[in-house]
Amino acid sequence: QVQLEQSGGEVKKPGASVKVSCKASGYTLNNLGISWVRQAPGQGLEWMGWISGYNLKTAYAQKFQDRFTMTTDISTNTAYMELRSLRFDDTAVYYCAKEVRYYDFWSGSNDFWGQGTLVTVSS
Amino acid sequence: QSALTQPASVSGSPGQSITISCTGTGSDIGNYNSVSWYQQHPGKVPKLMIYDVSSRPSGVSHRFSGSKSGNTASLTISGLRAEDEADYYCSSYTGSSSAVFGGGTKLTVL
Repeated sequence: QVQLEQSGGEVKKPGASVKVSCKASGYTLNNLGISWVRQAPGQGLEWMGWISGYNLKTAYAQKFQDRFTMTTDISTNTAYMELRSLRFDDTAVYYCAKEVRYYDFWSGSNDFWGQGTLVTVSS
Repeated sequence: QSALTQPASVSGSPGQSITISCTGTGSDIGNYNSVSWYQQHPGKVPKLMIYDVSSRPSGVSHRFSGSKSGNTASLTISGLRAEDEADYYCSSYTGSSSAVFGGGTKLTVL
C-alpha cells in the first residue's frame, strides 16, 4: 500500500535552512505529483508548493517562492523540500502529500500524507 | 492569494445533516472544478474526503458529499456521527499556478 515516510523533527536557528525528506513506497514518484503543506501550532493548513510526478514541473506559493525548493530523486523514490532563511514563524509541522490522480496543475487534491515533520525555529 | 472563506464553526446532532460552505472568487472556485475537502482530527494527519468538487476517494463514506454553485463550494455530511467531529478544510486551484486552503471549520457533534 502507499506510504510516505518523512524524516524526523528538526530544531534550527533563525537564518538557517532545513531539508525534509519524504520517501514514497507503494507507488513511484514519477507517476503522481507531491505537494508540501505546513501547519503552524494551533493554526490551519497552508499550501507551500507542488512538484509534478510526470515532468517535474513545479509551482510555489507566492509567499515561499524565494526561499523554498522542492526536488525529487526518482532513483530512491524520495521527495525533498528545503526551506531557507528560517524565521521563528516557520515553526510548524511540514507534510508531504501525494496527488489522488494525475493532474497537470497544482490541484490541491492529495490522498496519502506523510506523518509530518516538526520543524522548530528557536534561538 | 487570499484564503477561501469558511465558517469558523458548525454544529449538529447525531443523525442530522450539516453543510459547510467555502466561498472563493471567480479566480478560483468559480472558474475551476478542482475543489477538495479535508478532515483533520486533533493531532492527526489531514484526510482527503472529497476531490474534484464531488468525487470521493476510495474508502470515504457516502455520507460525505460535495457540490459547487458559482463561487461557493459545499461539503455536506449526512447522518452525523460522533466520529465526524473534526476540523474541515476546503481547498481550490486558483488558476495562477497555485492552490489555496480555507481557514478551516470546526465541526461539533452535540
